[in-house]
Amino acid sequence: SQQGEEDPQALSIQEGENATMNCSYKTSINNLQWYRQNSGRGLVHLILIRSNEREKHSGRLRVTLDTSKKSSSLLITASRAADTASYFCVPTSGTYKYIFGTGTRLKVLA
Amino acid sequence: GAVVSQHPSWVICKSGTSVKIECRSLDFQATTMFWYRQFPKQSLMLMATSNEGSKATYEQGVEKDKFLINHASLTLSTLTVTSAHPEDSSFYICSASDSQRPNQPQHFGDGTRLSIL
Repeated sequence: SQQGEEDPQALSIQEGENATMNCSYKTSINNLQWYRQNSGRGLVHLILIRSNEREKHSGRLRVTLDTSKKSSSLLITASRAADTASYFCVPTSGTYKYIFGTGTRLKVLA
Repeated sequence: GAVVSQHPSWVICKSGTSVKIECRSLDFQATTMFWYRQFPKQSLMLMATSNEGSKATYEQGVEKDKFLINHASLTLSTLTVTSAHPEDSSFYICSASDSQRPNQPQHFGDGTRLSIL
């Protein structure tokens, strides 16, 4: 397994704005997942995108994957205060071990 | 949806005592579970992989005698922090992989905040 690197480390936006965070990784993957962690809580799975997919949507979430650039992005549209959390990307390639990066800390201001 | 229950959610104890944390998969079987440790405002660090019916696999630098892992059934893994000291204070999180759906995302518990006085 490999670690994804999220960017930016921190992001502060106004409620209603869109939030974009990026993820880069180093070697080929089977799929890439995004997780959310609210302060003091466990992780919630948001979305999984497979290596042969380029874009995926789930509600207000849009994830893109560019395997040629080894990068992914997570877009949250019309953000809400409840979206305030840390977001982690997890690139996976055939093993069950997840290695977490430092994440993007998103703060949505009401 | 798949649920992982972690208990207790919060524990405070005196230095020198041992603390057991439970991780249960409520509606699926998990031959593999994972234990993570997280310091404030930092990322999750994988401590060990818990394998049902066999010994856990520890990550480099994690003391297996300090952090005892038992995975005696397909729905329960336990982490025991032995002779805990203040430096063991941390947020511990478990996750589980559905044995019937190994390619699906892991499911995480809500974490246990451990404070050693």
